[in-house]
Amino acid sequence: GESVGLHLPTLSVQEGDNSIINCAYSNSASDYFIWYKQESGKGPQFIIDIRSNMDKRQGQRVTVLLNKTVKHLSLQIAATQPGDSAVYFCAETNTGNQFYFGTGTSLTVIP
Amino acid sequence: DAGVIQSPRHEVTEMGQEVTLRCKPISGHDYLFWYRQTMMRGLELLIYFNNNVPIDDSGMPEDRFSAKMPNASFSTLKIQPSEPRDSAVYFCASTWGGLEAFFGQGTRLTVV
Repeated sequence: GESVGLHLPTLSVQEGDNSIINCAYSNSASDYFIWYKQESGKGPQFIIDIRSNMDKRQGQRVTVLLNKTVKHLSLQIAATQPGDSAVYFCAETNTGNQFYFGTGTSLTVIP
Repeated sequence: DAGVIQSPRHEVTEMGQEVTLRCKPISGHDYLFWYRQTMMRGLELLIYFNNNVPIDDSGMPEDRFSAKMPNASFSTLKIQPSEPRDSAVYFCASTWGGLEAFFGQGTRLTVV
């Protein structure tokens, strides 16, 4: 079955620095990869997605990079802010209906 | 729209009791998902519906778990009988078929 995992369970960054959160996946057939943010006590919230035929996509302060050769996905957050402190999940899907989530990386922003 | 609404937010029950979790998806969304979240296993997809019809329930752990969607605005996840290992946060999410799933606030279930 699909397997989506994260390299690091926790990450601490200084406010204003850039953050990079990594994710490894195993299903080469996935069409889309998605990043979600989960704040304490809340449900996950969509951040950005990338299609498998792309290698980079930018949003507001976030960039997702996809390296299909090594099955690696990363989320870069520019000028990290205290409000970015959360758990970040990558997810994959090849149907658009079933999403398989990794175990998450906890990001802590140090003021 | 108020978003996906789940109830209750917290549930504490004794082992062996029946537990029913409820979800109201966003109006107009025709996909509904139930997830379970634990520290050890992360977010696990339990079951999802399309137009009120269960499409894939392969993630439902055991026969003790059942889910229904009697209409487009309501779904339940039932555990009977509950066990301590069922303790987790259960999330409901809905989509219109796109990539952005909208999650509820979750129900934290504790079985003692």
